[in-house]
Amino acid sequence: DTAVSQTPKYLVTQMGNDKSIKCEQNLGHDTMYWYKQDSKKFLKIMFSYNNKELIINETVPNRFSPKSPDKAHLNLHINSLELGDSAVYFCASSQVRGGLAGNEQFFGPGTRLTVL
Amino acid sequence: AQSVTQLGSHVSVSEGALVLLRCNYSSSVPPYLFWYVQYPNQGLQLLLKYTTGATLVKGINGFEAEFKKSETSFHLTKPSAHMSDAAEYFCAVSEYNQGGKLIFGQGTELSVKP
Repeated sequence: DTAVSQTPKYLVTQMGNDKSIKCEQNLGHDTMYWYKQDSKKFLKIMFSYNNKELIINETVPNRFSPKSPDKAHLNLHINSLELGDSAVYFCASSQVRGGLAGNEQFFGPGTRLTVL
Repeated sequence: AQSVTQLGSHVSVSEGALVLLRCNYSSSVPPYLFWYVQYPNQGLQLLLKYTTGATLVKGINGFEAEFKKSETSFHLTKPSAHMSDAAEYFCAVSEYNQGGKLIFGQGTELSVKP
């Protein structure tokens, strides 16, 4: 069983379109994250949800809207896609109840988004 | 604010040679430190982590790292490189009560020559 899964794996779309990426974790973790990896492989946190509540929003354009229907799912919707949104997007999950930050984050396989 | 600096975007070693990947961090409180590995077209996998206690941490695949507070470093080593170690390596830091978010270094690509 895959611990953290993402769909789709590849996404090619035109500028201006709206697209969504889905993420699911079956680890029972309370916190999920979205990271963006750019063309230079630099990874940066975008959002984090703890038990369906947004706890981290790292100055991401409001064209990006995360949604967490339950604590096992965290989806990312992107409006009006731009060329600069091309990147690999990783979902991750961990257990951070009680302020713990030392627990491992488990990463999904990534979604490679290409905006033409 | 937290930050991580990895010295050397690319490191090349011969098979069987020592692997040393450097990581320095900046944190206002005692940090939690991680090394992750990313194989081509895959997600990230945890190699090892430091939270508290013993400063020499052993991880998977023969890797280890030592937390040196005085040097604000967390360098990753492996005594003998294997061809299968070729990958991108990321050092990361997180802090207590920051929601567990990871701040990553720029990454170091490790090449292993036969």
